[in-house]
Amino acid sequence: GAGVSQSPRYKVTKRGQDVALRCDPISGHVSLYWYRQALGQGPEFLTYFNYEAQQDKSGLPNDRFSAERPEGSISTLTIQRTEQRDSAMYRCASSSPFGSGNTGELFFGEGSRLTVL
Amino acid sequence: GEDVEQSLFLSVREGDSSVINCTYTDSSSTYLYWYKQEPGAGLQLLTYIFSNMDMKQDQRLTVLLNKKDKHLSLRIADTQTGDSAIYFCAESFDTGFQKLVFGTGTRLLVSP
Repeated sequence: GAGVSQSPRYKVTKRGQDVALRCDPISGHVSLYWYRQALGQGPEFLTYFNYEAQQDKSGLPNDRFSAERPEGSISTLTIQRTEQRDSAMYRCASSSPFGSGNTGELFFGEGSRLTVL
Repeated sequence: GEDVEQSLFLSVREGDSSVINCTYTDSSSTYLYWYKQEPGAGLQLLTYIFSNMDMKQDQRLTVLLNKKDKHLSLRIADTQTGDSAIYFCAESFDTGFQKLVFGTGTRLLVSP
């Protein structure tokens, strides 16, 4: 697509429920990133994929968080047994790799705002 | 460790210059970036500077990098009301991908 698309834009859920957040990157972008942004803070790295391979998941807070990108395009971030502290804006970004004139610029989606009651 | 700090708020009048400052602790960064976040929108890359440069100018934007002091600044000339937004500095490292460490953001308010 023309830009990075995320859904849902807003999600309100009760504590203990599972949520799945979807990201559709820019067509042809190899790399896909998930960031989390708490209110009044900058985005914080969660995890990253090259094609379908998860390259780094060091930013995932705990094992309730997981992400996949099975066909190297759309990605899903899943949070199991949500807690109130999971409330945040979850941002997805995609990029082309460095080289061939690319700076590896990240193109961010508008984000999915998660509220856990 | 990685730590990027910014002042929280800046208010200027339309037509004035704005200077947004950022300090970071990890000197091994390769690129430093400025992103702009408008309400309800995603983050948009404004400009970037390679860590071996001191200055970069891009139209109304001037980026200054002082590696010795680990200080990065963004100057916006002739600031317009449309420049009102939150500005984030960010750094990346020689890992071959864009695992960015962001600052806390500076809210710029431009009044007519």
